[in-house]
Amino acid sequence: QSVLTQPPSVSGAPGQRITISCTGSGSNIGAGYDVHWYQQFPGTAPKLLIYGNTNRPSGVPDRFSGSKSGSSSSLAITGLQTEDEADYYCQSYDSSLSASVFGRGTKLTVL
Amino acid sequence: EVQLLESGGGLVQPGGSLRLSCAASGIAFSSYAMSWVRQAPGKGLEWVSSISAGGGTTSYADSVKGRFIVSRDNSKNTLFLQVSSLRADDTAVYYCAKRSSYGLGFYFEHWGQGTRVTVSS
Repeated sequence: QSVLTQPPSVSGAPGQRITISCTGSGSNIGAGYDVHWYQQFPGTAPKLLIYGNTNRPSGVPDRFSGSKSGSSSSLAITGLQTEDEADYYCQSYDSSLSASVFGRGTKLTVL
Repeated sequence: EVQLLESGGGLVQPGGSLRLSCAASGIAFSSYAMSWVRQAPGKGLEWVSSISAGGGTTSYADSVKGRFIVSRDNSKNTLFLQVSSLRADDTAVYYCAKRSSYGLGFYFEHWGQGTRVTVSS
């Protein structure tokens, strides 16, 4: 059981907007620790997508955005494209575990 | 361009050991903390270990504490992970990552391509 909870899968049609939730607790997201998001295509390494809850690294399209509220965070993707089909992971820090923690990942399918 | 290149993975019997390496280029290696993150087949990401820029501070996931040792050679821009007493559930792709700080906590800014460790008799 992961410390951060994500839906196993989400889907959307091209052009639509989807969101992926990441729910934590008072020892991680709720304690004020930032949330970061990664995108991973099959057989490749993860890539940083969002850091510090809302910030995009250089080169990440502004179709991707992050937010945080209380003990939860969300990744939103607007104008969905077929090439967005991938696994998405949230990550934070847990003070009880003294460890960086990941969600189990969400598989995005673009219909 | 930041490049992280892992090596040293392979097939090892239960109870065996390996030394994983990660050669860094394109960054001021000695200025940054580094981490290892692994991914078991068909599973999600799991943080394994981190080491401070100077190497004086290390941290480990409970699942590997006492069995894995992280180290670095800043003169050679190389990160290491000595993995010992290996078990079947250590089977995974091991990624090295440049760790960065923002506000509270850490994130993994750059990742290598990974090296595969398979523990099986």
